[in-house]
Amino acid sequence: DQQVKQNSPSLSVQEGRISILNCDYTNSMFDYFLWYKKYPAEGPTFLISISSIKDKNEDGRFTVFLNKSAKHLSLHIVPSQPGDSAVYFCAASNSGGYNKLIFGAGTRLAVHP
Amino acid sequence: NAGVTQTPKFQVLKTGQSMTLQCAQDMNHEYMSWYRQDPGMGLRLIHYSVGAGITDQGEVPNGYNVSRSTTEDFPLRLLSAAPSQTSVYFCASSITIAGGSYEQYFGPGTRLTVT
Repeated sequence: DQQVKQNSPSLSVQEGRISILNCDYTNSMFDYFLWYKKYPAEGPTFLISISSIKDKNEDGRFTVFLNKSAKHLSLHIVPSQPGDSAVYFCAASNSGGYNKLIFGAGTRLAVHP
Repeated sequence: NAGVTQTPKFQVLKTGQSMTLQCAQDMNHEYMSWYRQDPGMGLRLIHYSVGAGITDQGEVPNGYNVSRSTTEDFPLRLLSAAPSQTSVYFCASSITIAGGSYEQYFGPGTRLTVT
């Protein structure tokens, strides 16, 4: 039973345009959500997070939106750059627990010139 | 400040062999964890530790042991390797305060093949 789902395995976007990566979750106990970026042969690196008390968090070109009623979050990258090409993982946790992260399967983003 | 380090980077084992994957962090983080990543799947939690002497199981603990004798080190032991344990293993650490969630910092990974 996948508690965190990223239904698009891949996404291709032109440089300068917006990239939108989506993530759905099923467990209503999740109250903290994170996005990680991963390059080949490296570990995931933290990108941005959002608490369930917010519906938006912004950090430079990256914005995460949370829709609790739909159990859906999205990551917007504007403008997209070729260096953004990587696999993006959505993750969720329950702060009543011990910081255990549940990951989605990832979306491979390709930004082409 | 090296962050989270893992050794070895690559390892090939025969079925039935045992080995230990090393993980160390120099950020004085209380929380450490081990994940495995398989093709087409996200990272899955194997074991985690909230401090020296305290460990617990994650989603996929079978076939693995851990211990935490110091804050810095969190080794993962494969007791009797099986082909199903072929995967990429990531160690991670973070600060932890009861009732909170914080971003975890990941090591570069160990690619393990069991033949």
